[in-house]
Amino acid sequence: EVQLVESGGGLVQPGGSLRLSCAASGFPFSRYAMHWVRQAPGKGLEYVSAISRSGDSTYYANSVKGRFTVSRDNSKNTLYLHMGSLRTEDMAVYYCATEAYGSSGYSMYFLDYWGQGTLVTVSS
Amino acid sequence: QSALTQPASVSGSPGQSITISCTGNRSDVGVYNYVSWYQQHPGKAPKVMIYEVSNRPSGVSNRFSGSKSGNTASLTISGLQAEDEADYYCSSYTSTSTPFVFGTGTKVTVL
Repeated sequence: EVQLVESGGGLVQPGGSLRLSCAASGFPFSRYAMHWVRQAPGKGLEYVSAISRSGDSTYYANSVKGRFTVSRDNSKNTLYLHMGSLRTEDMAVYYCATEAYGSSGYSMYFLDYWGQGTLVTVSS
Repeated sequence: QSALTQPASVSGSPGQSITISCTGNRSDVGVYNYVSWYQQHPGKAPKVMIYEVSNRPSGVSNRFSGSKSGNTASLTISGLQAEDEADYYCSSYTSTSTPFVFGTGTKVTVL
């Protein structure tokens, strides 16, 4: 069974930093690109970041570029999101999700499995 | 990267059909057949209902169907049921700085 468990959320002051983790199990983690999506309280989904299977390629929404860094440790089956210079508008539930692949191994360009999310609160 | 445009809310009575639109542009919906739809109940993670415009994952009811014309994709829910009341988000692969973009979200209410 595929499981994604986010952790590391909590209360942080504006300007502070936080590192989120996403522990994966039940699938060959190193073969999947991984993604972060967030949802501010009462708001819609916002795409945040992605990382390729090997970690060589990373992608960021303009709203977090230069402040957030996505990384992964395939030996530990864990995805990370390092968040710096946090702003009140970064307050949200952060989800990690897997990219879906077909039987041929090519991406199907949708997010297949999602974690339960971890809440980041940015407040003084 | 601008969000795809969805109506804020759609409602229908049990048994009726409703359609949710999702409008993008020529860097996303209009170019790629990689539109997906997600259902989200309060306090829960999103769940994919449709991928590649019109394909249903295993286990998703055939009451859910998707289509696309030009820059606009659509999700239709037929035979509306109380359990369909949720928020729905479209998403598309995009050629911009991030691989995916989400829609603004639509709240579906079953009257």
